[in-house]
Amino acid sequence: DTGVSQNPRHKITKRGQNVTFRCDPISEHNRLYWYRQTLGQGPEFLTYFQNEAQLEKSRLLSDRFSAERPKGSFSTLEIQRTEQGDSAMYLCASSHPGTSGSNEQFFGPGTRLTVL
Amino acid sequence: AQSVTQLGSHVSVSEGALVLLRCNYSSSVPPYLFWYVQYPNQGLQLLLKYTTGATLVKGINGFEAEFKKSETSFHLTKPSAHMSDAAEYFCAVATGGGNKLTFGTGTQLKVEL
Repeated sequence: DTGVSQNPRHKITKRGQNVTFRCDPISEHNRLYWYRQTLGQGPEFLTYFQNEAQLEKSRLLSDRFSAERPKGSFSTLEIQRTEQGDSAMYLCASSHPGTSGSNEQFFGPGTRLTVL
Repeated sequence: AQSVTQLGSHVSVSEGALVLLRCNYSSSVPPYLFWYVQYPNQGLQLLLKYTTGATLVKGINGFEAEFKKSETSFHLTKPSAHMSDAAEYFCAVATGGGNKLTFGTGTQLKVEL
């Protein structure tokens, strides 16, 4: 299967610890997105990359959050000094604009973070 | 700024009955509209999308949606529900090149025997 993959699938950590998640997009997709989904809510946009350039960041992305896509392929999302409010599902998606321009996004299975 | 409202956080239907999940959007420019389905502990799977052209869009698993600009709606329907349709459904809007999606809060669909 050549879909979007995310690791780890689950992460339990103690408050104050740092965590890092990885996303591997579909290979020919040049855009990569991170979303956060809390219980009972729809996903909320965090940030996106076109190739290695981070083009937009949401106000939700506090200074404790940092995302990278160093070679324009996989991406990492790091949360420093985790707080209980960071507990959520972190979703990654990728897309390739193509000729339609609709920028259909393909989602990975997500990483569920629990901060104790 | 764009936004999405999904009326009804929980919808319950009998197997074989019509499924209707409601979505209204707000966008200052012509929108791209999407419906995604999410099964427990999984990511989102695209059901269908509207970009331009025909306003009645057919998707996977027998679902379809109609874009009504005058009503700013993009309701999802399926003529006959199946037990396997039980999941959470999200409507989303994107504008321009679709750089980011704005999602509704989701509708949990329950299918009963």
